[in-house]
Amino acid sequence: GEDVEQSLFLSVREGDSSVINCTYTDSSSTYLYWYKQEPGAGLQLLTYIFSNMDMKQDQRLTVLLNKKDKHLSLRIADTQTGDSAIYFCAESRHNNAGNMLTFGGGTRLMVKP
Amino acid sequence: NAGVTQTPKFRVLKTGQSMTLLCAQDMNHEYMYWYRQDPGMGLRLIHYSVGEGTTAKGEVPDGYNVSRLKKQNFLLGLESAAPSQTSVYFCASIQNRENSYEQYFGPGTRLTVT
Repeated sequence: GEDVEQSLFLSVREGDSSVINCTYTDSSSTYLYWYKQEPGAGLQLLTYIFSNMDMKQDQRLTVLLNKKDKHLSLRIADTQTGDSAIYFCAESRHNNAGNMLTFGGGTRLMVKP
Repeated sequence: NAGVTQTPKFRVLKTGQSMTLLCAQDMNHEYMYWYRQDPGMGLRLIHYSVGEGTTAKGEVPDGYNVSRLKKQNFLLGLESAAPSQTSVYFCASIQNRENSYEQYFGPGTRLTVT
């Protein structure tokens, strides 16, 4: 079956870069996603990458995909205290149910001032 | 355009009680999903629907039932709540297969079963 793994916790200082890593097992993944969840809130889509891409950059966010190693990372440049949240990696496959997502357990990012 | 809304936001149930969680979307999306979120486990799919009048089981369907009588609404029912169903429940929707790179999530319902 599919499995998505993330480390539980990351702590960085304000202004530093954060790198959150994720590994997945399903080689047929179509899209890979990063979602952000702030306390008491739902999931907010941060960015996504199509499985035939290696990199995607969007302002302070850089997503790297190593399809051979099934490794996905999210780099946040100039991390701010407002970036403190839980970050979920997810992979998807298209099937008759639409866009089926499998989520990792989430990485809690703590940004210290 | 409210997006995906969920009611209620919070609920406390006693073991054995029943309740229905309502998910509504005003984006005319075809596909709707119910997830539960437990600490350290990400989101797990309970049930989903590919269109009005259809439902299907996800990864953890036991103890739950769903209905999609109207396209905009997806209901999640607990017939006899158990403490193991204490969780945060999220609803999501997407438009269709060809334009379905993003699932839109509701704000969640926090359910406690005592």
